[in-house]
Order: sequence, then C-alpha cells, then structure tokens
Amino acid sequence: EDQVTQSPEALRLQEGESSSLNCSYTVSGLRGLFWYRQDPGKGPEFLFTLYSAGEEKEKERLKATLTKKESFLHITAPKPEDSATYLCAVRSLNYGGSQGNLIFGKGTKLSVKP
Amino acid sequence: GAVVSQHPSRVICKSGTSVKIECRSLDFQATTMFWYRQFPKQSLMLMATSNEGSKATYEQGVEKDKFLINHASLTLSTLTVTSAHPEDSSFYICSVSSGGGYTDTQYFGPGTRLTVL
Repeated sequence: EDQVTQSPEALRLQEGESSSLNCSYTVSGLRGLFWYRQDPGKGPEFLFTLYSAGEEKEKERLKATLTKKESFLHITAPKPEDSATYLCAVRSLNYGGSQGNLIFGKGTKLSVKP
Repeated sequence: GAVVSQHPSRVICKSGTSVKIECRSLDFQATTMFWYRQFPKQSLMLMATSNEGSKATYEQGVEKDKFLINHASLTLSTLTVTSAHPEDSSFYICSVSSGGGYTDTQYFGPGTRLTVL
C-alpha cells in the first residue's frame, strides 16, 4: 500500500536556526513528489515538484531534495513568516489515468519564533 | 501556477440541509478538477475527480449520492453536500491540474469550511 509519513509532527525553531523536515514514502513507482505549504484555514500553496532521486530544487530559504525512499525540506535561517504546516505528497503508478492521484502525509507544523 | 477560487469560504448549515460549494479556475481551462476533504490534524484525502462534460470518479468509501459533483464548464466545478450531517463538517478544498499527463502539478483553492449544526 502506498504511504507517506512526515516527521516530526511539529517543529519549533528560533529565527535563524536552520533545520530539515522529513518525508518518507513507499510507493509502487514514483511519478512525482510534491511539497506544499499550508497556512491555517487556507488551501495548500505549491512549493516544489521532484521526480527522480538526486534531484534538488531551491526557493528562497527552502531547498528540497529527493532519494529513493525519502525527501527532505531544508530550511535555512528561517524567519517567523516561514511558520506554517508543510505537506508532502506523492503520485504513484498505482493510480491510472492521465492525472493520477496525490497521497498526502499529515504534515509538519513549523513554528519560528523571533 | 494556476489561480483557483472557492465560494463560499465558510458556511454553517442545519443538519439535513444541502450545501453547494463552487470551485473556479480563474486563469486557464481545466478539464479535470479534484475535490479533497481535510479533517483537523489529518491528511488531505481525495474525494473525487471531476471531469468536464462527464461523470465524476469517486474514491472508495465516498458516497456519490451524498456528494454530488457537477463540472459543467472548463472553469467551474461544484460540490453539493446533500442532507448534511454534523459528521460532514470539514474543510473542503478543490484543486486543478496544470495540464495533462503524469508531470502536471495540482494547484489548490483556498478551501471552504463547512460546519453542520
């Protein structure tokens, strides 16, 4: 069964304190791993898509990396405005059709204190 | 990325009534839209895939007669929760794909908070 597990559930950082969020997955053929940011009471905001092991993508203070079993979202020198829940999702070969389906993890709630 | 809107953002209704939620793709034509539900501290769970001009595809365990989906145009999909009950209270979010194929990205709307009294 396809599965996505994110850790930790919650992470508290001081402003400027770098850290990483983990997304472990088991899927029958990965067709994309997605990172989203979700603010309270809002829909997810797209951050990155990764397709193959070794791939990396960066955006401002965020950097996403991918291996065959997990992905990391590295946050460098975070600011209070980076506080949000970060969601990881995968698309696998198990879902047919041209669109596929996204399987989400439960997210990591990040709090950055000034 | 795609811009997606939802209306209403919040709705409170009495048990037994029906509620309609609209999802609009504002900047491109979406042949496929997705409807998700999110309970507190839980993952987003796909409810159904909405296809323009054809019947929606529902995920296992989702009652198609209770959650009616209509995708009458390339920019609008609606989800109607019929005979709503307190257990239907949740955060409903729609998404659109950036294009066809396996490499497309889903962009999400702002969500609709449904509370059934």
